[in-house]
Formats: sequence, C-alpha cells, structure tokens
Amino acid sequence: ELKVEQNPLFLSMQEGKNYTIYCNYSTTSDRLYWYRQDPGKSLESLFVLLSNGAVKQEGRLMASLDTKARLSTLHITAAVHDLSATYFCAAGGTSYGKLTFGQGTILTVHP
Amino acid sequence: GAVVSQHPSRVICKSGTSVKIECRSLDFQATTMFWYRQFPKQSLMLMATSNEGSKATYEQGVEKDKFLINHASLTLSTLTVTSAHPEDSSFYICSARERAAQNEQFFGPGTRLTVL
Repeated sequence: ELKVEQNPLFLSMQEGKNYTIYCNYSTTSDRLYWYRQDPGKSLESLFVLLSNGAVKQEGRLMASLDTKARLSTLHITAAVHDLSATYFCAAGGTSYGKLTFGQGTILTVHP
Repeated sequence: GAVVSQHPSRVICKSGTSVKIECRSLDFQATTMFWYRQFPKQSLMLMATSNEGSKATYEQGVEKDKFLINHASLTLSTLTVTSAHPEDSSFYICSARERAAQNEQFFGPGTRLTVL
C-alpha cells in the first residue's frame, strides 16, 4: 500500500525567507503531484513530476523528484504572504490513476 | 485548461435524507472520475473511482450502498449520499481524467455538505 508523508505539517515563515517542504512516499510511484489549497476551496494544480530528476519551477516555487530516494521537495524562495495556503503532495502508484495524498503542510507567511 | 464543475457548491440537508452531487467535465471527455472526501483540517481521502459505463470501484471502508456513484456519460458522474447523517458532513471533491492525458487529474471546486 502506497503511503505518502509530508513534513513539516505546519510551517510559519517570515516574508523573504526560503524553506523546503518534503514529501516521502513508501513504494514505487511513477508520478508525483503538488497542489495548493486555499481555505474553503478545492485543489489548484502546481506541478506534475513524471521522471527521476525532474525539476519544475513556477514563480517562487520549485519542485523536484528523486525516485530512487522516493522523495519530492517543494522549495519556496523569498516567501510572500500570498503563498499562505495548504500544500499537498500526492503520488500515483499505477497508471490506473489513483492518487494517494500526503497529510498537507499548512504554510503561513508573516510580514 | 480542462474545467470540471460540481453542483451544488453547498448543500444543507436534514438527517435521513439523500443528497445528489454532480460532477461534470465541461470541455473534455472524462473516461475516469474520482470522488474524494475531505474532513476539516485533514487531507483528501479517495472514496471511489468510476469509469464511464461501468460500476464504480470503492476504497476499503467506504460503504457502496451509502455512497452511490453513477458515471453514465463521458462528461457526468454523480455521487448520491443516501440516508445522510451528521457524520457524513464533509467537503466532497471530484476529479476527472481524460484518456489523452493520463497523467493529469482535473479537480472540481468541491461541494460542502452539512447534515443537520
């Protein structure tokens, strides 16, 4: 059974600082996703990572995937208040399409 | 990008009644749709997977007689919560995947169900 674990679960950052959210998964997965969720809203897709060594960047966020270590990271550069949200990673175990989500990381960016 | 809608966005019902939630893919054909449930401050839990024209596959612990899923067309899946109780109150989110984009799931805006 595929299990996905994120850490930290809570992250309080100052504006302008950098930090990384980690996502570990337990068994082989052929794809890894990052999502953002604002309070009361559904998921917004951030990144889809499909191969070992994949790195994608959008604005202040950069995601990477190491399939050998079964680890993905979401790096935040020079955080701003607008990045405050809950971030989920999810791993896909098979081409069947089923996703297993991590617990989520609640990010709060303070002035 | 691909758009998925859900209706209603919010519903309040009395205990014992049934509630139907619709999930539609607006600009693509969804060969597979997924239904998730999210309790406050928690992650998303997959409830079931439905493929057009076939019976849904439910995750362990999800009562298929209580959560009826129908995927009658390539653009519509419905989730009916039968005899709803307060513990069924949750945020229900659907996602859809098209045959040509196997690596992507497009999420609907969610339905907030409150059972009194």
